Amino acid sequence: DVKVTQSSRYLVKRTGEKVFLECVQDMDHENMFWYRQDPGLGLRLIYFSYDVKMKEKGDIPEGYSVSREKKERFSLILESASTNQTSMYLCASSSVWSGYTFGSGTRLTVV
Amino acid sequence: AQSVAQPEDQVNVAEGNPLTVKCTYSVSGNPYLFWYVQYPNRGLQFLLKYITGDNLVKGSYGFEAEFNKSQTSFHLKKPSALVSDSALYFCAVRPPLISSGSARQLTFGSGTQLTVLP
Repeated sequence: DVKVTQSSRYLVKRTGEKVFLECVQDMDHENMFWYRQDPGLGLRLIYFSYDVKMKEKGDIPEGYSVSREKKERFSLILESASTNQTSMYLCASSSVWSGYTFGSGTRLTVV
Repeated sequence: AQSVAQPEDQVNVAEGNPLTVKCTYSVSGNPYLFWYVQYPNRGLQFLLKYITGDNLVKGSYGFEAEFNKSQTSFHLKKPSALVSDSALYFCAVRPPLISSGSARQLTFGSGTQLTVLP
């Protein structure tokens, strides 16, 4: 069963901490995406990547960075976590032909 | 630019009744259309997609969707709702395969919360 795995389901971090959210896919997909989901705001794209070592900003990149050193792994980095980054974070991957396959999500709370 | 509209934030239906969750889209060319479902505290799960061919697409869990090009709609339907169908549903669109770069992204609607009442 193909899948996208996010390393943590729940995380609690302190304000100012550097936070890493990891995402791994086993489908050899070219494309990977990070979204955050907040009530009433739907899914908002943070960053995406179409290839190794390649990244592009989405709609809300401020306060985030990403890393894609290997095709299967796409990491989201919160350089200095703030309370307004408390959210559900969703990773997804896709190929040229497919829709998205999503991970189970990471619910991050910044206190 | 592409866009998706889900005009209803909330849909309530009685168990056993048919359900419809509405979606309209705007995209250049022939669209690729998708429906996803999200259960509480989980990621989105793929339900079905339309790429080409028959306008009526059948998907997982008894759901189906009808592509209507003239109305630019892709409504999700199920003949008989179950309480377990209660979830958040997202419609999404992407441009045709010939598009490149950032146009490969899916654009999501804002979601419709479906509640099936016992």
